[in-house]
Amino acid sequence: GAVVSQHPSRVICKSGTSVKIECRSLDFQATTMFWYRQFPKQSLMLMATSNEGSKATYEQGVEKDKFLINHASLTLSTLTVTSAHPEDSSFYICSACTESSYNEQFFGPGTRLTVL
Amino acid sequence: AQKITQTQPGMFVQEKEAVTLDCTYDTSDPSYGLFWYKQPSSGEMIFLIYQGSYDQQNATEGRYSLNFQKARKSANLVISASQLGDSAMYFCAMERAAGNKLTFGGGTRVLVKP
Repeated sequence: GAVVSQHPSRVICKSGTSVKIECRSLDFQATTMFWYRQFPKQSLMLMATSNEGSKATYEQGVEKDKFLINHASLTLSTLTVTSAHPEDSSFYICSACTESSYNEQFFGPGTRLTVL
Repeated sequence: AQKITQTQPGMFVQEKEAVTLDCTYDTSDPSYGLFWYKQPSSGEMIFLIYQGSYDQQNATEGRYSLNFQKARKSANLVISASQLGDSAMYFCAMERAAGNKLTFGGGTRVLVKP
């Protein structure tokens, strides 16, 4: 149980286009989902916290208009990178937790974004 | 603000030997949680072990054990009987008191030699 999927696993896009990444909890309802970004050979940095039915909470320094997050249901959160540029190329990872999982986050497999 | 420090960017370990990965933290929260995750080259984050700040005993999960020294603010991971499949990046993380948010350390790359 507690499986989180991400789609796509890898995406290459042209500069200026928008890219949507989906994060799904497959066998549980995720009250909270988190989005992380990981640059090559670096650690994970929390971008935002997403709660179903409410606006996402962004970490300091993360542009909310550039990284649009929608948590429309208890099993789906989406991250849209708008007007992507090469510096947005990164590994994006989501995680999900439930009220009953207390403190454990279940991570998705990640999405590698390359902006040309 | 919370801070997690992993001072070992990389290390080699001989197969079947034990290895200790260092993690120190800084927080003003009275209650917190500490995690270790493994990230193989494929990228997924694999949960290894958890230690609560009020847990009296050090956490253990199979070949993984956490050497928790609260006064020194350290939470080192010990991997016993290393296997080739243990080669990966290892991240220490701390959960903030509210909201389940995780702050990650810089990671340690472990390479197990046959």
